[in-house]
Amino acid sequence: DTGVSQNPRHKITKRGQNVTFRCDPISEHNRLYWYRQTLGQGPEFLTYFQNEAQLEKSRLLSDRFSAERPKGSFSTLEIQRTEQGDSAMYLCASSLGDLNGWELFFGEGSRLTVL
Amino acid sequence: AQRVTQPEKLLSVFKGAPVELKCNYSYSGSPELFWYVQYSRQRLQLLLRHISRESIKGFTADLNKGETSFHLKKPFAQEEDSAMYYCALAGGYQKVTFGTGTKLQVIP
Repeated sequence: DTGVSQNPRHKITKRGQNVTFRCDPISEHNRLYWYRQTLGQGPEFLTYFQNEAQLEKSRLLSDRFSAERPKGSFSTLEIQRTEQGDSAMYLCASSLGDLNGWELFFGEGSRLTVL
Repeated sequence: AQRVTQPEKLLSVFKGAPVELKCNYSYSGSPELFWYVQYSRQRLQLLLRHISRESIKGFTADLNKGETSFHLKKPFAQEEDSAMYYCALAGGYQKVTFGTGTKLQVIP
């Protein structure tokens, strides 16, 4: 296991199109997080999962964004009807989720450019 | 609500000088505080967490609940410390919130 894996690494799309990103966490990690990062900003919380259960979704997130983790393993983040403001780096992270496993392990991110 | 504030976007220091990266937080419960670091072209990674009270790469951070601060310190900066540093807070159900980050630039 080489760590958290995200695909695709780069995505260029036209405004109005749908995009989907995939995250494969470290295998024994039951917590999975999605963040968005724009230039000069820190990671902005989007949503997170405990196994397949989505615990919270940011109120800043519009209904165009949806995330799933169907079997408690990999996760997908879909953005429908993309807008130019969606251009950002989308980061995935995973953790063990217990008292000794607070550390988040990040993927390299998926960069979205909306034209 | 939980919030993390890092007031400095950029901190430039000379090699060998002391470093202090500021972090303040807002949270009604008992938070877990962390510092994450991102070196050029690398993934975001954990530097240290307050509960372990460790010194990593010469960095330390003390949680001050009275001032709601968790400043990162190092007595003598090294060139390899140049990176983006993010303060983070884990609140209820381990929701982790990050600050906006401080770029540390160590001048040779």
